[in-house]
Amino acid sequence: AQSVAQPEDQVNVAEGNPLTVKCTYSVSGNPYLFWYVQYPNRGLQFLLKYITGDNLVKGSYGFEAEFNKSQTSFHLKKPSALVSDSALYFCAVRDVTSGGYNKLIFGAGTRLAVHP
Amino acid sequence: EPEVTQTPSHQVTQMGQEVILRCVPISNHLYFYWYRQILGQKVEFLVSFYNNEISEKSEIFDDQFSVERPDGSNFTLKIRSTKLEDSAMYFCASSEKRTGETGELFFGEGSRLTVL
Repeated sequence: AQSVAQPEDQVNVAEGNPLTVKCTYSVSGNPYLFWYVQYPNRGLQFLLKYITGDNLVKGSYGFEAEFNKSQTSFHLKKPSALVSDSALYFCAVRDVTSGGYNKLIFGAGTRLAVHP
Repeated sequence: EPEVTQTPSHQVTQMGQEVILRCVPISNHLYFYWYRQILGQKVEFLVSFYNNEISEKSEIFDDQFSVERPDGSNFTLKIRSTKLEDSAMYFCASSEKRTGETGELFFGEGSRLTVL
């Protein structure tokens, strides 16, 4: 079965330090992978995606993610965290059994807390 | 920046009542979706809609649910006879292209439904 796992419920980081939010996936074939962020009382905002090509993908707000096929991972990273990065982060994979209509399977989410 | 808008932001209803959640997708988008997030749980796919018909639906999307695009701008989710377990945040999303064509989803801020 296709799935996405975010092993950490919460990640705590000091402002200015690098951050990593982990995601692993299980899907048949080539994965289409996404990261979304949800700020309090807001909808999900697209951060970045991996479809094909360079394993290091750059996205919004200085975030990047590294696709690692051998480890089936797509960890979200940022070199220097900001307090304003504090939010809920969701990893998602396209459901390859769907007809290509963007059915996404989401992870449970990881709450990122950046402390001053 | 164009955005997906949803109304109402919060609706409280009695069990057994009908509810209509409304969404205005981004104007040049062709694919429309509803997802939901029960408090503390994953974001789950409900339905996708393209060319005035449902293209895919999940097992959650049973006969009590329906979607409609009554005019050129609105996209609605109707829940015919609400149940307690329908209490959730409902997210509308739209995309310009299918995931297979690298289209990402743009989400609204959500409509919180509380069934008493």
